[in-house]
Amino acid sequence: DTEVTQTPKHLVMGMTNKKSLKCEQHMGHRAMYWYKQKAKKPPELMFVYSYEKLSINESVPSRFSPECPNSSLLNLHLHALQPEDSALYLCASSQDGGSNQPQHFGDGTRLSIL
Amino acid sequence: GESVGLHLPTLSVQEGDNSIINCAYSNSASDYFIWYKQESGKGPQFIIDIRSNMDKRQGQRVTVLLNKTVKHLSLQIAATQPGDSAVYFCAELQGFQKLVFGTGTRLLVSP
Repeated sequence: DTEVTQTPKHLVMGMTNKKSLKCEQHMGHRAMYWYKQKAKKPPELMFVYSYEKLSINESVPSRFSPECPNSSLLNLHLHALQPEDSALYLCASSQDGGSNQPQHFGDGTRLSIL
Repeated sequence: GESVGLHLPTLSVQEGDNSIINCAYSNSASDYFIWYKQESGKGPQFIIDIRSNMDKRQGQRVTVLLNKTVKHLSLQIAATQPGDSAVYFCAELQGFQKLVFGTGTRLLVSP
């Protein structure tokens, strides 16, 4: 079992809906990440939070809005998504976002946009 | 059995064989590398990492080799088991926090 917990495991939403993906870790890590993974492709970085501050936004469309309420929680707010946004959304954490630290992943939320 | 990563995305081996999964990375400035295993319906699972000041690191049944001259990584799995069947990704840390994944290799282990 992963130490990074993501909810929900599956989400189906329409293009006009607003929903949120949640991620939680209790390893005391201070860096958290969102990745997007399309079928048969590698994960691609979306956002990085370090000490609850956004440090990297990989030019992600504004219909994806990340939030880091505290060092254990990471949310991804979704609004007006497109069918091409259907994917597996992965959360990860690392000790403090420094170099030479492995990132530990949750099992993801599989998102389907109708 | 051996794969060349980008050019042969599937590696099929028999149980008990040794497997070698290869990966070419892109950034000569990258100094930290990780191998992940991803099973169907799961997130990537950390296997082993290596820093650029090393050329070999061993774990339990796994060995990672790093050749910085040709920007090449390999993952060796000894005595491959059916439970090793998964997609394997190499990843390089570019800059301070950006992890970039390779395209992945599917390992199929038959009994």
